[in-house]
Amino acid sequence: DAGVIQSPRHEVTEMGQEVTLRCKPISGHDYLFWYRQTMMRGLELLIYFNNNVPIDDSGMPEDRFSAKMPNASFSTLKIQPSEPRDSAVYFCASRRDPSDTQYFGPGTRLTVL
Amino acid sequence: DQQVKQNSPSLSVQEGRISILNCDYTNSMFDYFLWYKKYPAEGPTFLISISSIKDKNEDGRFTVFLNKSAKHLSLHIVPSQPGDSAVYFCAASADSNYQLIWGAGTKLIIKP
Repeated sequence: DAGVIQSPRHEVTEMGQEVTLRCKPISGHDYLFWYRQTMMRGLELLIYFNNNVPIDDSGMPEDRFSAKMPNASFSTLKIQPSEPRDSAVYFCASRRDPSDTQYFGPGTRLTVL
Repeated sequence: DQQVKQNSPSLSVQEGRISILNCDYTNSMFDYFLWYKKYPAEGPTFLISISSIKDKNEDGRFTVFLNKSAKHLSLHIVPSQPGDSAVYFCAASADSNYQLIWGAGTKLIIKP
């Protein structure tokens, strides 16, 4: 199994630009999570999906952030417009069911100039 | 409001000695705890977990201890090896969906 796949691995963009991060969960996993890691706040859960349906988006910082999961094998996290304070590593994770552990992708390092 | 706290940002330990990583929590409803390990440029990977009905869980060189009255858990690595150098995250859950609340992480450095 290829594990959770994230793209791009690195993204450098200018303030005000739209950024789209992509995630392919492990096949057969019904849950998908988006996290953000910063030095100050550690790992923060942004949103998670169950069977492609957003369950809890209370961690999404602002309306500039949106996430979709159009099918079981693909999810996107979009930031529009991006700001320098959005610079962080964004992780996607998936799991099979509530009793399963979460499997993380390698992350996308986002730098907003 | 940090419900899961790892107060040591970093820890340096001699190879072969014991590494002890600590984690405190404030929510008494947490009933499941996990440790994840993270290498640079990789995502966190699951290491070991413990349910609140236990006070100890062991897996090879890794042991997690849970003290519910103190709302404290610790991860012991014995003996420490160079490959253990990584960032360790503590996480906790309080609901049946096992939604995790994460600590900020502790960077462990094993010195040769």
